[in-house]
Amino acid sequence: AQSVTQLGSHVSVSEGALVLLRCNYSSSVPPYLFWYVQYPNQGLQLLLKYTSAATLVKGINGFEAEFKKSETSFHLTKPSAHMSDAAEYFCAVSANFGNEKLTFGTGTRLTIIP
Amino acid sequence: DGGITQSPKYLFRKEGQNVTLSCEQNLNHDAMYWYRQDPGQGLRLIYYSQIVNDFQKGDIAEGYSVSREKKESFPLTVTSAQKNPTAFYLCASRHQGTGGNFYGYTFGSGTRLTVV
Repeated sequence: AQSVTQLGSHVSVSEGALVLLRCNYSSSVPPYLFWYVQYPNQGLQLLLKYTSAATLVKGINGFEAEFKKSETSFHLTKPSAHMSDAAEYFCAVSANFGNEKLTFGTGTRLTIIP
Repeated sequence: DGGITQSPKYLFRKEGQNVTLSCEQNLNHDAMYWYRQDPGQGLRLIYYSQIVNDFQKGDIAEGYSVSREKKESFPLTVTSAQKNPTAFYLCASRHQGTGGNFYGYTFGSGTRLTVV
């Protein structure tokens, strides 16, 4: 079975500062990993995904994440926060075979301080 | 443009009533999913379907029912047996990959259900 843990249900950063959202996964098989973003009263939008190619994955809106197998982590970063980054972010994991369903973390709400 | 359409956006239900949430996709995706979202709990899987006329229970299927008569449609019925149905419901779909390919989900914009 797969699971993800997102450390910090709320994160606040100043505009222009580094954004770091943490995600640790547990998987009995090599995983696929995803980050999604959700704006209020909307669905989820895919930011980036790791599917066993490069360990540093670049996504949309300047976000990137690094897969670290030794730390079972897939933290999301952005060098400089923008006001439009304020949203809720979800990490998700799936087994890397077949067509397994995604398991989501509990989410991290990101607030940007002007 | 291809995508997933959920309707209605807001839905109010009286206690004891069944209600049906619509989910339609024109992406030609094989698999479809229903998730429930509550504050602080992330997304929990209700039901999913990988092929027409077949579906499986997720983690919290009690009090819900689904059908998959057409590839494009995966409606969710919230029955009176669901004790706490007030939540945000999200529908998603995914192309079934082969040969190790895996595609992420495409989500609809959600339906907010409130029991009054």
